[in-house]
Amino acid sequence: QSALTQPASVSGSPGQSITISCTGSNSDIGTYKYVSWYQQHPGKAPKLMIFEVSNRPSGVSNRFSGSKAGNTASLTISGLQAEDEADYYCASRTTSVTHVFGTGTTVTVL
Amino acid sequence: QVQLVESGGGVVQPGTSLRLSCEVSGFLSRGDGIHWVRQAPGKGLEWVSAISYDGINKYYADSVKGRFTISTDNSKSTVYLQMNSLGAEDTALYYCAKDGGVLRFDSWGQGTLVTVSS
Repeated sequence: QSALTQPASVSGSPGQSITISCTGSNSDIGTYKYVSWYQQHPGKAPKLMIFEVSNRPSGVSNRFSGSKAGNTASLTISGLQAEDEADYYCASRTTSVTHVFGTGTTVTVL
Repeated sequence: QVQLVESGGGVVQPGTSLRLSCEVSGFLSRGDGIHWVRQAPGKGLEWVSAISYDGINKYYADSVKGRFTISTDNSKSTVYLQMNSLGAEDTALYYCAKDGGVLRFDSWGQGTLVTVSS
């Protein structure tokens, strides 16, 4: 199972909105609603930001939103803040009943 | 709130074995699962293995199938990852995570480092 494809880096100025894409196939994103997104700061464990494509866990800012169209999922961060600077990973269930992560995207706040 | 603590990492030679432990404290619901996710130094996350709450259903990534075995003790308070025939490609920080649904990894441990080197 190949990793889902994400852009290596995305940047934006404070207050702006950015979108991170996550491209898979009919064997994963295209088939399931089970897409999640994780934020990871350096030296820290990942943190769940979005599950089941567009649901936010309790405590996660509503500046984070998720969507899916076909084989591509997206994470949008609106009102970008300095604390949002981190690595972001998407993940999807696969048709072989396993899971696959994306290649990861580094978000830089200019 | 569920807490997870990994242990068992270390430096081992290629071809040898190692067993990782993930101690789970707090309440697990019937639909929960425990997963292992690894991260090679400076690299991204890689899903490794998973076990269902009842310990019956087990899943593996193709990269570890046949070499790694996931299990749980009778009390379901500890999840193990037995890793055999280790190679340099297995060098990574190994996290365990609770899945509160499907791919809803809502609790993570801090990880245990495995280094495979001669």
